[in-house]
Amino acid sequence: ETGVTQSPTHLIKTRGQQVTLRCSSQSGHNTVSWYQQALGQGPQFIFQYYREEENGRGNFPPRFSGLQFPNYSSELNVNALELDDSALYLCASSLGGQSTGELFFGEGSRLTVL
Amino acid sequence: AQSVTQLDSQVPVFEEAPVELRCNYSSSVSVYLFWYVQYPNQGLQLLLKYLSGSTLVKGINGFEAEFNKSQTSFHLRKPSVHISDTAEYFCAVCRKNTGFQKLVFGTGTRLLVSP
Repeated sequence: ETGVTQSPTHLIKTRGQQVTLRCSSQSGHNTVSWYQQALGQGPQFIFQYYREEENGRGNFPPRFSGLQFPNYSSELNVNALELDDSALYLCASSLGGQSTGELFFGEGSRLTVL
Repeated sequence: AQSVTQLDSQVPVFEEAPVELRCNYSSSVSVYLFWYVQYPNQGLQLLLKYLSGSTLVKGINGFEAEFNKSQTSFHLRKPSVHISDTAEYFCAVCRKNTGFQKLVFGTGTRLLVSP
């Protein structure tokens, strides 16, 4: 059974650029969530995708957007990068999209914005 | 809105000693409660969760937690820790019956186990 994989693991961008982060969900899972974890903080919910539709969103501006593909993999796109976007971005997959399920997290993509 | 407070940013403890990591939450609606562990350079792993029923919940690796509704707490305990338990521990809540899972995390407690 393949777990949640994320790419790239590390990347450096400059302010104003755009970035795309990718996530492959665990086999059999149809739900993907994205979280932002700033240094020394707990993860913060960005959004969740269930069967290719966004079905929940946290307090992040529209320049944070996402996609889920038919194979349930997902992308997180961030436009017009700001210094405060520097963080570890975690992807998590689950089954069913409901609030009781266990989330399976990837190891994250560490983004540095200069 | 929900919020989670983890009162201790760091807890040092000797191997084989007991430990308690504290978690308090605030919510105007019913919530589910979770504890996740994050080992260095890894993603988060679920330790245990409280959905309903018995307020004492047992998880993996010998951890347990007790839900106290009157005190809005969900403290994590282990009677005897190992060096391998050194990690960051996050308490989280999720509003019930929303149709999607939005976890609200605390800021984490770093457990440091020394020989």
